[in-house]
Amino acid sequence: GQQVMQIPQYQHVQEGEDFTTYCNSSTTLSNIQWYKQRPGGHPVFLIQLVKSGEVKKQKRLTFQFGEAKKNSSLHITATQTTDVGTYFCAGERAGGTSYGKLTFGQGTILTVHP
Amino acid sequence: NAGVTQTPKFQVLKTGQSMTLQCAQDMNHEYMSWYRQDPGMGLRLIHYSVGAGITDQGEVPNGYNVSRSTTEDFPLRLLSAAPSQTSVYFCASSYLQASGSRHEQFFGPGTRLTVL
Repeated sequence: GQQVMQIPQYQHVQEGEDFTTYCNSSTTLSNIQWYKQRPGGHPVFLIQLVKSGEVKKQKRLTFQFGEAKKNSSLHITATQTTDVGTYFCAGERAGGTSYGKLTFGQGTILTVHP
Repeated sequence: NAGVTQTPKFQVLKTGQSMTLQCAQDMNHEYMSWYRQDPGMGLRLIHYSVGAGITDQGEVPNGYNVSRSTTEDFPLRLLSAAPSQTSVYFCASSYLQASGSRHEQFFGPGTRLTVL
């Protein structure tokens, strides 16, 4: 079945440092979504990428979708303590009759030290 | 709009007991799904539904049943609880695009289940 691997599992940074998490799929994706989950909370949608090579920005967050649509990354510039949480990617397999099933990566837990 | 609601928030069961986790959404979303979240394993899909009367299995369906009699409700039933089902359960809903791809998922607050 489809697998989505996400690295690193943990990342500790000092406030102001940059942070990147990477997502790799075993199959070509039709789209990829990113979610953030604060400690004790539920996942909250950040963005969806659809096009090959797509790059989208949300303030200090930059999202990329690979040319082959099998990998993606989330980069945070100058982290703040409010960035603390777990970041998940979720990929939807291209083709077939998956009815929009999403496969989540394991998540990257980000800790920011003030 | 309340969004996606889940009850209960916390539950402790004994091995062998059965129970139903409730999920409801008021956004008229066609697609609803149940995930379990365990440390280091992300969110794993249990069951999902693309509309009332239609359900299908996800990645880890064993030990769970679902039904979708209305657009709003999507309950998850644990038939005979086992310690391996100790987890945090999230319900989510979303629109389906005409292509079959999904829009963003809206998650409920979760149910923390412990099976002794």
